[in-house]
Amino acid sequence: GAVVSQHPSRVICKSGTSVKIECRSLDFQATTMFWYRQFPKQSLMLMATSNEGSKATYEQGVEKDKFLINHASLTLSTLTVTSAHPEDSSFYICSARVAGSYNSPLHFGNGTRLTVT
Amino acid sequence: SQKIEQNSEALNIQEGKTATLTCNYTNYSPAYLQWYRQDPGRGPVFLLLIRENEKKKRKERLKVTFDTTLKQSLFHITASQPADSATYLCAPLGGDSSYKLIFGSGTRLLVRP
Repeated sequence: GAVVSQHPSRVICKSGTSVKIECRSLDFQATTMFWYRQFPKQSLMLMATSNEGSKATYEQGVEKDKFLINHASLTLSTLTVTSAHPEDSSFYICSARVAGSYNSPLHFGNGTRLTVT
Repeated sequence: SQKIEQNSEALNIQEGKTATLTCNYTNYSPAYLQWYRQDPGRGPVFLLLIRENEKKKRKERLKVTFDTTLKQSLFHITASQPADSATYLCAPLGGDSSYKLIFGSGTRLLVRP
């Protein structure tokens, strides 16, 4: 149980275009989902917390107008990288927690490798 | 500011030995601490959660300790196997940012056959 599906797994786009990444909880409801970014040989950096039916909460230094997050339902959150540039190339990973307890484990998707040329 | 430190150098051990990974944190008062495993190109997978009053916890070949005085957690894998080779991440939870999970930098474990 507790599977998180992330799509696409890889995407290559040209500089200036936008890319949308989907994160779905397949067999549970997630009122909160988290988006992380990971550069090579570095740890996961929390970008934002996505709350169903309300605005996302962004971490300091993360541009909310560049990384648009929408959490329209209890099983789907999307991250859109707008006007992507090569420095946005990274591994983006979403995660979700089963609703109810803040200390329950996070379930992660398998990530999206974004390459901006 | 809050800081989570894990040994950035890879830990290289022989199959069958016990691997011990360290997680130190500062400016935190976590009520829980979670450990995850991450394989290359994949999302992390949850392994264990330990509460501040538990001190130590076991799950099969895994053992975790949580010392709130030292502000440290140790993660042990006994009878290590090459399949245990991965990066291990710790994540304190609780306190000021109780709903967010912030990860340490991770320690890469290599188990030689």
